[in-house]
Amino acid sequence: EDQVTQSPEALRLQEGESSSLNCSYTVSGLRGLFWYRQDPGKGPEFLFTLYSAGEEKEKERLKATLTKKESFLHITAPKPEDSATYLCAVQAVGGSNYKLTFGKGTLLTVNP
Amino acid sequence: DTGVSQDPRHKITKRGQNVTFRCDPISEHNRLYWYRQTLGQGPEFLTYFQNEAQLEKSRLLSDRFSAERPKGSFSTLEIQRTEQGDSAMYLCASSSAGLFKDTQYFGPGTRLTVL
Repeated sequence: EDQVTQSPEALRLQEGESSSLNCSYTVSGLRGLFWYRQDPGKGPEFLFTLYSAGEEKEKERLKATLTKKESFLHITAPKPEDSATYLCAVQAVGGSNYKLTFGKGTLLTVNP
Repeated sequence: DTGVSQDPRHKITKRGQNVTFRCDPISEHNRLYWYRQTLGQGPEFLTYFQNEAQLEKSRLLSDRFSAERPKGSFSTLEIQRTEQGDSAMYLCASSSAGLFKDTQYFGPGTRLTVL
């Protein structure tokens, strides 16, 4: 069964203090690894898709990387508006179902 | 393109009542998913449609749950005889195979509270 573990569960940073979130995964075959941002009471907002080990994607202060066992979401010089829950999900190859298996998320708080 | 929409955004019901939620996917997206999310957890897969065909249902989806996607457009999720354990955020997502290899875009969700 596909599994996704995110760490830490919660992270508190000062504005400008860079850090990384971890997503470890177990999947029979990886079709894609997805990062989403979720604000309280809202649906997840798509950030990145990574397909193969070694791949990197960047968007503003965020950079996502992928290895064969884990993914990192690096946050450079975060701002208070980056505060949110960051969700990692995997999509497995095979079959006709493209469902996502999510981790529990990392709650990021950035203090001014 | 206005994204995925869901209606209602909030629903409060009494135990034993039936509820129905609606999801309108991004136009021309042929894949549609329902997920459920409880506090402190990530979304959990419930069911999946490709066009009008329901191709998979999770073990989480008891007989009280039913979903439809007539004509491959909008979808409805009905819960019969609601229980307090059904209280959660119900999320809909849609995607289209091809260039972006099935990136799923989520709606704002429907928050269900069962009293």
